[in-house]
Amino acid sequence: TQLLEQSPQFLSIQEGENLTVYCNSSSVFSSLQWYRQEPGEGPVLLVTVVTGGEVKKLKRLTFQFGDARKDSSLHITAAQPGDTGLYLCAGDSGGSNYKLTFGKGTLLTVNP
Amino acid sequence: GAGVSQSPSNKVTEKGKDVELRCDPISGHTALYWYRQSLGQGLEFLIYFQGNSAPDKSGLPSDRFSAERTGGSVSTLTIQRTQQEDSAVYLCASSLGGAASTDTQYFGPGTRLTVL
Repeated sequence: TQLLEQSPQFLSIQEGENLTVYCNSSSVFSSLQWYRQEPGEGPVLLVTVVTGGEVKKLKRLTFQFGDARKDSSLHITAAQPGDTGLYLCAGDSGGSNYKLTFGKGTLLTVNP
Repeated sequence: GAGVSQSPSNKVTEKGKDVELRCDPISGHTALYWYRQSLGQGLEFLIYFQGNSAPDKSGLPSDRFSAERTGGSVSTLTIQRTQQEDSAVYLCASSLGGAASTDTQYFGPGTRLTVL
């Protein structure tokens, strides 16, 4: 069974701070996705990374896929209260091209 | 256009009762997924429908769980003889269909099920 471990589980910071959350596995994934979920809503896809070592930027968010495609990180610069939410990573093993393995998430709170 | 909708948004039931949860996918999406999200847990895959193909039911936790998709559109997830451990948020997603690395899943807001 493939597992994705996310850390930290909880993170509470002040507006303007930088932060990094991690998604790690002992398994190789064909691609990895990051989602943000707000209370009472479903997850919303932020980015998909496919190539080992790939870096993608989305405004103040920077996503990196590890060289070995087993891990990923999400870095947020100058966090804002609107960044508050549950950040989930999900991996695609490639074996069955639709099943995703989700981590448990990092619950981020950005205080004004 | 409209996103994925789910109903009801909240459902409280008594142990042993049957419940039906509904999902209306985005029009034109051939793939439909059901997930379960328990407190402090990630999303757990339950079942996958793709067009007219036989559904992948490998994630259903027991034979009390079943799902159908009528006319390639609306889907219903049924839980029979509910147990307290079935309490969770049930999420539905739809997509155009294709490889996970390129096929975006769009999630509904979920149905929060509480079994007393």
